[in-house]
Amino acid sequence: EADIYQTPRYLVIGTGKKITLECSQTMGHDKMYWYQQDPGMELHLIHYSYGVNSTEKGDLSSESTVSRIRTEHFPLTLESARPSHTSQYLCASRELSEQYFGPGTRLTVT
Amino acid sequence: GENVEQHPSTLSVQEGDSAVIKCTYSDSASNYFPWYKQELGKRPQLIIDIRSNVGEKKDQRIAVTLNKTAKHFSLHITETQPEDSAVYFCAANIWSGGKLIFGQGTELSVKP
Repeated sequence: EADIYQTPRYLVIGTGKKITLECSQTMGHDKMYWYQQDPGMELHLIHYSYGVNSTEKGDLSSESTVSRIRTEHFPLTLESARPSHTSQYLCASRELSEQYFGPGTRLTVT
Repeated sequence: GENVEQHPSTLSVQEGDSAVIKCTYSDSASNYFPWYKQELGKRPQLIIDIRSNVGEKKDQRIAVTLNKTAKHFSLHITETQPEDSAVYFCAANIWSGGKLIFGQGTELSVKP
């Protein structure tokens, strides 16, 4: 089924750990995005990509990095997690108009 | 830069009443305006969108209106039901363009 997938769905880790949040979509979309969102609050764009080997920083400063080696895959990495990174991370993809969101990863850094 | 302002931030209505959420955008080149609904603990999902070549679009109990001159667009929900309770986000973009610019969100609560 065409969809956008994120793993893990929930993650609790200690300060200083390196983590990678996975995002994959099966819709063949070129445009992909990462948002940071506290529950019920604004969607903050942290990274986006318009295709393979294309990545840009978003509007919200983030200590994370992304890569886009394959069209369907857009992972986000935190080299050293901190409590301030505790949030929900939503991945999204888009072609012409409608933007589809993944189910999100809820990250807690202790 | 591009900006979308959304009001109100919270809205509480009685079941059966109407709800209106308003957004203002800054980029006059924008021509695509979607609305997303995010229920508690779930992902945002598109509920309705409008392009700049029309002034209004309806889908059952929801409608969106667009005033390009004033750079305003609004979401109207009639005969609200408790299941309409959610956070609603407006957005603006050049259709097929890169980034959707989202508003700050409106938390709608429908009281039975």
